[in-house]
Amino acid sequence: DAGITQSPRHKVTETGTPVTLRCHQTENHRYMYWYRQDPGHGLRLIHYSYGVKDTDKGEVSDGYSVSRSKTEDFLLTLESATSSQTSVYFCAISDLTANEKLFFGSGTQLSVL
Amino acid sequence: AQSVTQPDIHITVSEGASLELRCNYSYGATPYLFWYVQSPGQGLQLLLKYFSGDTLVQGIKGFEAEFKRSQSSFNLRKPSVHWSDAAEYFCAVGAGGGSNYKLTFGKGTLLTVNP
Repeated sequence: DAGITQSPRHKVTETGTPVTLRCHQTENHRYMYWYRQDPGHGLRLIHYSYGVKDTDKGEVSDGYSVSRSKTEDFLLTLESATSSQTSVYFCAISDLTANEKLFFGSGTQLSVL
Repeated sequence: AQSVTQPDIHITVSEGASLELRCNYSYGATPYLFWYVQSPGQGLQLLLKYFSGDTLVQGIKGFEAEFKRSQSSFNLRKPSVHWSDAAEYFCAVGAGGGSNYKLTFGKGTLLTVNP
């Protein structure tokens, strides 16, 4: 299995609170992605990174920011959590591009009350 | 922009029966096509992918998929389902060129396997 660790695995927080999710990889892959998974919606891309300090928005980026200061770490921040951000968040990595193969972490279950 | 449709939200089959999961895509050029599988509480795992060449693609766990350009389809098949195949299956399409960072996933098909 690819070395991807997401932390925390579960989090409960209150509306309006900032939240940061961490994705750590040991594969030295260039590309990293954050997806959210919701019933009836499949996976939707939030943000992605194509190198250190190089990030871009996905299709559902409003209310989220990311940072990548090191190859191995990709942080997702919910600036002011809302109930609509209750979801399962997955980090994924790929060596070349997403058209090669994505390796996924085990996910973070986030509940915003 | 590319899109993916998985028409079946939930499919139930008996163990040992054959399986076909449907996937239709929309993309202007030749797409990259993928099937991923997600077991409960886990991340997604790649089953197989297609970009060019033979339109019948073999994957892991005995799965195969066939690309049909005329039907814009990439259906996943398995001749004999095992109880361990119970999972959610996602079809995905990727674009080439400058947009090759991003995959678009379908909404998934949940497979239940009866003993």
